[in-house]
Amino acid sequence: DSGVTQTPKHLITATGQRVTLRCSPRSGDLSVYWYQQSLDQGLQFLIQYYNGEERAKGNILERFSAQQFPDLHSELNLSSLELGDSALYFCASSSRDRGSYEQYFGPGTRLTVT
Amino acid sequence: GDSVTQMEGPVTLSEEAFLTINCTYTATGYPSLFWYVQYPGEGLQLLLKATKADDKGSNKGFEATYRKETTSFHLEKGSVQVSDSAVYFCALSERQGAQKLVFGQGTRLTINP
Repeated sequence: DSGVTQTPKHLITATGQRVTLRCSPRSGDLSVYWYQQSLDQGLQFLIQYYNGEERAKGNILERFSAQQFPDLHSELNLSSLELGDSALYFCASSSRDRGSYEQYFGPGTRLTVT
Repeated sequence: GDSVTQMEGPVTLSEEAFLTINCTYTATGYPSLFWYVQYPGEGLQLLLKATKADDKGSNKGFEATYRKETTSFHLEKGSVQVSDSAVYFCALSERQGAQKLVFGQGTRLTINP
């Protein structure tokens, strides 16, 4: 158990809908990262937050947004969903925002768009 | 941009066989290198890491050496077990700037008894 929790575990929704994925980092970790794992794109970095502020953006679509709240949990919002958004979404946390600090991954949320 | 290339999978071995999974990288800076493992239905777990040239990361019998001259970080294990069956990801992160991980495509390893 990494100490990172993600809810829900599975999510099935229709095209055009909007969903919210939730992540709670390990106790004491200030940095949260979101990654998408799909069969065609592999594991890709989406976005990073540190202590409530956005720190880095990767290949995140404009239809996707995220935030980190004062209690440090984070939410990833996916809107106008398309079939191609079906993937496993991972959250990871670390104690710092830069450097070679280990990232601890949650179990993921599997999103299926039908 | 930065990238990581892993050997094509899947890889199937017999128990107690020697394992090598090749990993090479391209980076503009001086990255840290990682191997992560993903067991079925679970998130990624850090297996080992190395932060500078010639460093050897090791854990659970797995080893990898940071080779700057060949830009490689190959994963090795002398005697694999059935419980090592998983997907293995090589990854890098730049030491300056954001700590995002750049992953290879993953290598599925199956160990037969």
